[in-house]
Amino acid sequence: AQTVTQSQPEMSVQEAETVTLSCTYDTSENNYYLFWYKQPPSRQMILVIRQEAYKQQNATENRFSVNFQKAAKSFSLKISDSQLGDTAMYFCAFMKSNAGNMLTFGGGTRLMVKP
Amino acid sequence: NAGVTQTPKFRVLKTGQSMTLLCAQDMNHEYMYWYRQDPGMGLRLIHYSVGEGTTAKGEVPDGYNVSRLKKQNFLLGLESAAPSQTSVYFCASTRSKTGLTYEQYFGPGTRLTVT
Repeated sequence: AQTVTQSQPEMSVQEAETVTLSCTYDTSENNYYLFWYKQPPSRQMILVIRQEAYKQQNATENRFSVNFQKAAKSFSLKISDSQLGDTAMYFCAFMKSNAGNMLTFGGGTRLMVKP
Repeated sequence: NAGVTQTPKFRVLKTGQSMTLLCAQDMNHEYMYWYRQDPGMGLRLIHYSVGEGTTAKGEVPDGYNVSRLKKQNFLLGLESAAPSQTSVYFCASTRSKTGLTYEQYFGPGTRLTVT
């Protein structure tokens, strides 16, 4: 079974600054996918970014980028130029390849962006 | 497209009562999922379905039953509600294609309180 750990229950950052959220996972699989989801106060789960384990290049989506370290089983999310709308819970999630596309979630990090 | 919708959005039950949560998707997705989210925690998989007429257990299936009679609908039933089932329930769906993995699309959630 896979486990996903987010060691930072809460973080805060000043608007326009950069923040990094940590995620580590444990698996014996070689082929898998990793995701970061954002959950604002509306409760809606929104996909932020995804990373395929077979790709060495780190994924980027506008102000969001990841640092994927496969050997260390680490998958951190960097948010640049933080905006007030980035205030939310952020969940790291693991998906095993070709196995029903099920997600295993970490416990989440609550991010507060301060004006 | 409405995406993934959930009915109802809120519900209060007394211990021992039963209810059914309905999830519907209009994206012609093969796979569907039910998760629960307890306060301060990530989502945990209850049951899932990889196609019409098929269901399987997830991480926390006890006390729940599911059915997938139509491809677009996935029902979650609580036969005898318990206070431990107080939670927010999320439905999700995704495409399926051999050799590929797709992101999950989530519904808005159902907040269930069992007194």
